[in-house]
Amino acid sequence: DVKVTQSSRYLVKRTGEKVFLECVQDMDHENMFWYRQDPGLGLRLIYFSYDVKMKEKGDIPEGYSVSREKKERFSLILESASTNQTSMYLCASSTQGQLHYGYTFGSGTRLTVV
Amino acid sequence: DQQVKQNSPSLSVQEGRISILNCDYTNSMFDYFLWYKKYPAEGPTFLISISSIKDKNEDGRFTVFLNKSAKHLSLHIVPSQPGDSAVYFCAASAALTGGGNKLTFGTGTQLKVEL
Repeated sequence: DVKVTQSSRYLVKRTGEKVFLECVQDMDHENMFWYRQDPGLGLRLIYFSYDVKMKEKGDIPEGYSVSREKKERFSLILESASTNQTSMYLCASSTQGQLHYGYTFGSGTRLTVV
Repeated sequence: DQQVKQNSPSLSVQEGRISILNCDYTNSMFDYFLWYKKYPAEGPTFLISISSIKDKNEDGRFTVFLNKSAKHLSLHIVPSQPGDSAVYFCAASAALTGGGNKLTFGTGTQLKVEL
């Protein structure tokens, strides 16, 4: 069974902390994505990567950075966490031959910044 | 600029009846459209998709209709079941320069199927 695994289901961090959200996929997918989901706003794309060491800004990259040192792992970094970054974070992956099926998502990380 | 819109935040339907979820888009470059279903505390799961060159795709109880001239698509669920209660996201796909695709999501519709 193919999987996208996010390392934490729930996280509570303090304002100003540096936060790492980890995502690993076992499908040898080229493309990986980070979204956040907020009520009334749907899923918004933060960053994506279509190859190792490549990254592209999504629609809301401010306050975030990413790292993709290996094909299977895509990390989202909150440089200095703020309360407006409290959200559900979703990682996804895809491959070029998967247009019919879109992405495979992880189960999400619920981050609370206090 | 919301390129994919779901104007109904919620929908309530009786078990056994038809559920119709709607979605509008603005970008003519989208080449695939997809519907995802999401339960609380889980990631979205793929439900059904349609190519921009088709106007209908059916999979069991789920049918997606695409009206390209109106830039509108809809998801029909017949018959609706209590287990269908979830948030449904419409998504539109555009090709990435480096390969693969990028999905733009709507804001979601919470479907509640009542007994």
